[in-house]
Amino acid sequence: EAGVTQFPSHSVIEKGQTVTLRCDPISGHDNLYWYRRVMGKEIKFLLHFVKESKQDESGMPNNRFLAERTGGTYSTLKVQPAELEDSGVYFCASSHFPGLGSPEQYFGPGTRLTVT
Amino acid sequence: AQTVTQSQPEMSVQEAETVTLSCTYDTSESDYYLFWYKQPPSRQMILVIRQEAYKQQNATENRFSVNFQKAAKSFSLKISDSQLGDAAMYFCAYRLNTGTASKLTFGTGTRLQVTL
Repeated sequence: EAGVTQFPSHSVIEKGQTVTLRCDPISGHDNLYWYRRVMGKEIKFLLHFVKESKQDESGMPNNRFLAERTGGTYSTLKVQPAELEDSGVYFCASSHFPGLGSPEQYFGPGTRLTVT
Repeated sequence: AQTVTQSQPEMSVQEAETVTLSCTYDTSESDYYLFWYKQPPSRQMILVIRQEAYKQQNATENRFSVNFQKAAKSFSLKISDSQLGDAAMYFCAYRLNTGTASKLTFGTGTRLQVTL
Protein backbone atom coordinates (compact mmCIF):
# COMPACT_ATOMS: atom_id res chain seq x y z
CA GLU A 1 0.00 0.00 0.00
CA ALA A 2 1.50 3.34 -1.06
CA GLY A 3 1.76 5.88 1.73
CA VAL A 4 0.75 9.51 1.87
CA THR A 5 2.83 11.56 -0.52
CA GLN A 6 3.44 15.29 -0.58
CA PHE A 7 4.92 17.58 -3.18
CA PRO A 8 7.19 19.47 -3.16
CA SER A 9 9.42 18.34 -0.32
CA HIS A 10 10.89 21.83 -0.02
CA SER A 11 9.82 25.22 -1.28
CA VAL A 12 11.57 28.54 -0.89
CA ILE A 13 9.60 31.59 -1.98
CA GLU A 14 9.68 35.30 -1.43
CA LYS A 15 7.17 37.15 0.64
CA GLY A 16 4.18 38.03 -1.47
CA GLN A 17 4.51 35.08 -3.81
CA THR A 18 2.10 32.18 -4.14
CA VAL A 19 2.83 28.57 -3.33
CA THR A 20 0.70 25.47 -3.83
CA LEU A 21 1.33 22.33 -1.84
CA ARG A 22 -0.06 19.00 -2.91
CA CYS A 23 -1.01 15.92 -0.91
CA ASP A 24 -1.96 12.49 -2.23
CA PRO A 25 -3.59 10.41 0.51
CA ILE A 26 -3.57 6.65 0.80
CA SER A 27 -5.96 5.22 -1.74
CA GLY A 28 -9.41 4.68 -0.27
CA HIS A 29 -8.94 7.04 2.67
CA ASP A 30 -11.90 9.39 2.86
CA ASN A 31 -10.36 11.61 5.51
CA LEU A 32 -7.56 14.02 4.68
CA TYR A 33 -5.98 16.45 7.11
CA TRP A 34 -3.54 19.32 6.86
CA TYR A 35 -1.28 20.27 9.75
CA ARG A 36 1.56 22.73 10.15
CA ARG A 37 4.58 22.87 12.42
CA VAL A 38 6.29 26.19 12.90
CA MET A 39 9.89 25.90 14.09
CA GLY A 40 10.11 24.51 17.61
CA LYS A 41 6.41 24.59 18.24
CA GLU A 42 3.66 22.03 18.25
CA ILE A 43 2.10 20.56 15.15
CA LYS A 44 -1.13 22.45 14.64
CA PHE A 45 -4.24 21.33 12.84
CA LEU A 46 -5.31 23.35 9.82
CA LEU A 47 -8.26 21.54 8.30
CA HIS A 48 -9.98 18.25 7.66
CA PHE A 49 -11.68 16.96 4.51
CA VAL A 50 -14.12 14.12 4.33
CA LYS A 51 -14.02 13.18 0.68
CA GLU A 52 -14.33 16.53 -1.10
CA SER A 53 -16.10 18.37 1.72
CA LYS A 54 -14.45 20.50 4.38
CA GLN A 55 -15.44 18.90 7.67
CA ASP A 56 -13.46 21.21 9.92
CA GLU A 57 -11.46 24.24 8.88
CA SER A 58 -11.18 25.80 12.30
CA GLY A 59 -7.39 25.79 12.19
CA MET A 60 -6.94 27.77 9.00
CA PRO A 61 -5.04 30.89 10.08
CA ASN A 62 -6.54 33.38 7.63
CA ASN A 63 -7.98 33.81 4.17
CA ARG A 64 -4.58 33.69 2.52
CA PHE A 65 -4.83 29.91 2.85
CA LEU A 66 -7.06 28.00 0.46
CA ALA A 67 -7.45 24.24 0.54
CA GLU A 68 -9.21 22.12 -2.03
CA ARG A 69 -9.87 18.47 -2.58
CA THR A 70 -11.55 18.12 -5.92
CA GLY A 71 -13.04 14.70 -6.56
CA GLY A 72 -12.17 13.56 -3.08
CA THR A 73 -8.72 12.34 -4.03
CA TYR A 74 -5.65 14.55 -3.77
CA SER A 75 -5.68 17.89 -2.02
CA THR A 76 -3.93 21.19 -2.57
CA LEU A 77 -3.14 23.92 -0.09
CA LYS A 78 -2.45 27.30 -1.61
CA VAL A 79 -0.89 30.18 0.25
CA GLN A 80 -1.43 33.53 -1.45
CA PRO A 81 0.25 35.89 -0.79
CA ALA A 82 2.83 34.20 1.44
CA GLU A 83 4.07 35.96 4.56
CA LEU A 84 7.20 35.31 6.63
CA GLU A 85 5.18 33.70 9.43
CA ASP A 86 3.89 31.05 7.01
CA SER A 87 7.28 29.34 7.08
CA GLY A 88 7.19 25.88 8.57
CA VAL A 89 6.59 22.26 7.72
CA TYR A 90 3.19 21.41 6.31
CA PHE A 91 2.04 17.86 6.94
CA CYS A 92 -0.76 16.00 5.30
CA ALA A 93 -2.38 12.94 6.83
CA SER A 94 -5.14 10.57 5.85
CA SER A 95 -7.30 8.02 7.59
CA HIS A 96 -10.05 5.51 7.02
CA PHE A 97 -13.68 6.33 7.49
CA PRO A 98 -14.54 5.64 11.15
CA GLY A 99 -15.36 2.02 11.77
CA LEU A 100 -13.10 0.83 9.01
CA GLY A 101 -9.83 -0.09 10.64
CA SER A 102 -7.65 1.82 13.04
CA PRO A 103 -8.34 5.43 14.11
CA GLU A 104 -4.74 6.15 13.21
CA GLN A 105 -3.84 8.98 10.89
CA TYR A 106 -1.08 8.22 8.39
CA PHE A 107 1.27 11.07 7.72
CA GLY A 108 3.13 12.24 4.68
CA PRO A 109 6.77 13.36 4.82
CA GLY A 110 5.82 17.02 4.91
CA THR A 111 6.61 20.05 2.78
CA ARG A 112 9.13 22.45 4.26
CA LEU A 113 8.10 25.96 3.26
CA THR A 114 10.50 28.85 3.68
CA VAL A 115 9.29 32.36 3.02
CA THR A 116 12.08 34.92 2.70
CA ALA B 1 -10.04 23.22 24.30
CA GLN B 2 -7.77 20.25 24.59
CA THR B 3 -4.06 20.79 25.13
CA VAL B 4 -1.10 18.45 25.15
CA THR B 5 2.12 19.25 26.98
CA GLN B 6 5.50 17.65 26.54
CA SER B 7 7.83 19.19 29.09
CA GLN B 8 11.05 17.58 27.86
CA PRO B 9 12.33 19.25 24.68
CA GLU B 10 15.29 16.86 24.54
CA MET B 11 16.21 13.57 26.11
CA SER B 12 19.21 11.33 25.80
CA VAL B 13 19.57 7.61 26.47
CA GLN B 14 22.37 5.12 26.08
CA GLU B 15 21.90 2.21 23.78
CA ALA B 16 20.23 -0.75 25.53
CA GLU B 17 18.98 1.45 28.37
CA THR B 18 15.42 2.50 29.15
CA VAL B 19 14.00 5.99 28.76
CA THR B 20 10.63 7.51 29.60
CA LEU B 21 9.13 10.44 27.73
CA SER B 22 6.50 12.48 29.52
CA CYS B 23 3.20 13.77 28.23
CA THR B 24 0.30 15.39 30.00
CA TYR B 25 -2.94 16.57 28.51
CA ASP B 26 -5.96 18.54 29.46
CA THR B 27 -9.48 17.61 28.48
CA SER B 28 -12.95 17.59 29.96
CA GLU B 29 -13.95 14.64 27.80
CA SER B 30 -13.96 10.99 28.85
CA ASP B 31 -13.77 9.18 25.53
CA TYR B 32 -10.65 9.83 23.52
CA TYR B 33 -7.50 8.34 22.05
CA LEU B 34 -3.91 9.09 22.89
CA PHE B 35 -1.02 8.45 20.53
CA TRP B 36 2.73 8.57 20.40
CA TYR B 37 4.15 9.36 16.98
CA LYS B 38 7.79 9.13 16.00
CA GLN B 39 9.49 11.22 13.33
CA PRO B 40 13.04 10.08 12.51
CA PRO B 41 15.33 12.68 10.93
CA SER B 42 14.21 13.52 7.40
CA ARG B 43 11.64 10.78 7.46
CA GLN B 44 7.93 10.32 7.72
CA MET B 45 6.06 10.47 11.01
CA ILE B 46 4.81 7.04 12.05
CA LEU B 47 2.59 5.80 14.83
CA VAL B 48 4.41 4.15 17.71
CA ILE B 49 1.57 3.27 20.01
CA ARG B 50 -2.08 4.04 20.67
CA GLN B 51 -4.20 4.02 23.83
CA GLU B 52 -7.97 4.14 24.05
CA ALA B 53 -9.09 6.10 27.10
CA TYR B 54 -11.73 3.54 28.05
CA LYS B 55 -9.13 0.82 28.36
CA GLN B 56 -7.50 0.49 31.76
CA GLN B 57 -4.73 -1.73 30.51
CA ASN B 58 -1.65 0.10 29.30
CA ALA B 59 -0.82 -0.41 25.64
CA THR B 60 2.38 -2.24 24.69
CA GLU B 61 4.09 -2.64 21.33
CA ASN B 62 7.29 -4.67 21.58
CA ARG B 63 9.87 -2.42 23.31
CA PHE B 64 7.41 0.46 23.59
CA SER B 65 4.90 0.75 26.39
CA VAL B 66 2.84 3.50 27.94
CA ASN B 67 1.86 4.47 31.44
CA PHE B 68 -1.65 5.84 31.08
CA GLN B 69 -2.97 7.59 34.17
CA LYS B 70 -6.41 8.85 33.23
CA ALA B 71 -7.18 10.67 36.45
CA ALA B 72 -3.85 12.44 36.36
CA LYS B 73 -4.16 13.03 32.60
CA SER B 74 -0.71 11.62 32.05
CA PHE B 75 0.48 9.46 29.16
CA SER B 76 4.18 8.64 29.28
CA LEU B 77 6.08 6.50 26.79
CA LYS B 78 8.68 4.01 27.94
CA ILE B 79 11.24 2.73 25.48
CA SER B 80 13.11 -0.34 26.69
CA ASP B 81 16.39 -1.65 25.31
CA SER B 82 16.90 1.56 23.33
CA GLN B 83 18.37 1.23 19.87
CA LEU B 84 20.11 3.71 17.61
CA GLY B 85 17.09 3.62 15.33
CA ASP B 86 14.94 5.00 18.13
CA ALA B 87 16.60 8.39 17.74
CA ALA B 88 13.82 10.68 16.55
CA MET B 89 11.38 13.40 17.45
CA TYR B 90 8.53 11.96 19.49
CA PHE B 91 5.14 13.62 19.52
CA CYS B 92 2.34 12.92 21.94
CA ALA B 93 -1.13 13.47 20.48
CA TYR B 94 -4.75 13.46 21.59
CA ARG B 95 -7.88 12.79 19.60
CA LEU B 96 -11.42 13.04 20.81
CA ASN B 97 -13.54 10.01 20.00
CA THR B 98 -16.63 11.54 18.44
CA GLY B 99 -17.62 8.52 16.41
CA THR B 100 -16.37 10.33 13.34
CA ALA B 101 -12.87 11.12 12.21
CA SER B 102 -11.40 14.16 13.89
CA LYS B 103 -8.22 16.16 14.28
CA LEU B 104 -5.19 15.38 16.37
CA THR B 105 -3.90 17.80 19.00
CA PHE B 106 -0.14 17.53 19.41
CA GLY B 107 2.45 18.44 21.98
CA THR B 108 5.63 20.29 21.07
CA GLY B 109 7.66 17.10 20.80
CA THR B 110 10.65 15.54 22.53
CA ARG B 111 13.86 14.99 20.62
CA LEU B 112 15.39 11.69 21.71
CA GLN B 113 19.08 11.10 21.22
CA VAL B 114 20.49 7.59 21.53
CA THR B 115 24.18 7.30 22.34
CA LEU B 116 26.58 4.39 22.21
